Amino acid sequence: KAGVTQTPRYLIKTRGQQVTLSCSPISGHRSVSWYQQTPGQGLQFLFEYFSETQRNKGNFPGRFSGRQFSNSRSEMNVSTLELGDSALYLCASSSTSGITLGANVLTFGAGSRLTVL
Amino acid sequence: AQTVTQSQPEMSVQEAETVTLSCTYDTSESDYYLFWYKQPPSRQMILVIRQEAYKQQNATENRFSVNFQKAAKSFSLKISDSQLGDAAMYFCAYRRFNDYKLSFGAGTTVTVRA
Repeated sequence: KAGVTQTPRYLIKTRGQQVTLSCSPISGHRSVSWYQQTPGQGLQFLFEYFSETQRNKGNFPGRFSGRQFSNSRSEMNVSTLELGDSALYLCASSSTSGITLGANVLTFGAGSRLTVL
Repeated sequence: AQTVTQSQPEMSVQEAETVTLSCTYDTSESDYYLFWYKQPPSRQMILVIRQEAYKQQNATENRFSVNFQKAAKSFSLKISDSQLGDAAMYFCAYRRFNDYKLSFGAGTTVTVRA
């Protein structure tokens, strides 16, 4: 069973540009979450999607957006990039079969390393 | 908001020895889940162990075990018989009972000495 696939693995952008990151979840997983990891702020929740709907959003500016497609693949977009957006962006997918939402284990991808110059 | 605190930025252990990582959390909830994730240099987060707050029994996965103290809001991870492959950053994480969002601690870097 293939794991969570994130593309691209590495990318370099300049300030003011925009970027789109892609995440393909484990087959059968319908929930996809995104996290930002930086040395200063640690791991922070960005948003979570289920059945093409955003169910939960972290405390990030509107420049950060995402979407989910009917095949559960997800993309996140960051517009008007700032130096502080340099980070590892992690995607995680989860099934929805647990007795509670919280019971479902997140499986993470290897991340997309974004550098903003 | 839930806060997860890992007070040990770095820990070093001799191969085959035992190391314990500390984690405390703050919540007003009575039911929730706690996790330890491992992030090796490859960056991929790997689930090490999970604990349901409504279970009194401490979770165990092979050489990994936890000491869950609900009243003290403490959730430590013990790595027994440490191996070189255990070297990684370890994150403690909290999740509400009916939510997908994980709240992570700052992480503890574990170094294993040969």
